[in-house]
Amino acid sequence: AQKITQTQPGMFVQEKEAVTLDCTYDTSDPSYGLFWYKQPSSGEMIFLIYQGSYDQQNATEGRYSLNFQKARKSANLVISASQLGDSAMYFCAYHRGGSARQLTFGSGTQLTVLP
Amino acid sequence: EAGVTQFPSHSVIEKGQTVTLRCDPISGHDNLYWYRRVMGKEIKFLLHFVKESKQDESGMPNNRFLAERTGGTYSTLKVQPAELEDSGVYFCASSQDRGTGSFYNEQFFGPGTRLTVL
Repeated sequence: AQKITQTQPGMFVQEKEAVTLDCTYDTSDPSYGLFWYKQPSSGEMIFLIYQGSYDQQNATEGRYSLNFQKARKSANLVISASQLGDSAMYFCAYHRGGSARQLTFGSGTQLTVLP
Repeated sequence: EAGVTQFPSHSVIEKGQTVTLRCDPISGHDNLYWYRRVMGKEIKFLLHFVKESKQDESGMPNNRFLAERTGGTYSTLKVQPAELEDSGVYFCASSQDRGTGSFYNEQFFGPGTRLTVL
């Protein structure tokens, strides 16, 4: 079974600075996908970014980028120019290819952006 | 376009009672998933519907949980009888069917139902 590890239960960052949230995964699947979701205090899960295991380039979506290191099995989320509204819980999730489409989640990182 | 909606947002019941959670996926999404997060633990997969059929229910914890998806539209998750350890947040998500050959499968989540069993 896949295991997703987020080793940072809590992180603090100063407004306008960049922050990296760590995610490592353990899998023997030949192909897979990695997602990051944001969960603000209101509770909804917001999709941020996706990286496929065969993608040649690191994924980017606005201020979010994914530092994908396949050999190290890591998929760290980088948020540039942090904003107060970025304060939230962030989850890394794994998705196996084929018909098994459920997500396997890490334990999450609570990010707090300081003014 | 409306997102995934869940009802109720909160539910407080006593041990032994029955609770039914409802999820309305995004219109046109054939895939519907249930997840839950119990206090202090990871979000865990419960089951996956494709239209009205259960594709994978390997995450259902026991037979006190029953999920249905009427006509491939909304889904309900019934817990009967509820136990203390069932407390947590239950999320529903939906996604389009891009075919097994397509890998990318973004799931859109609802706001969750917070269930408290006393």
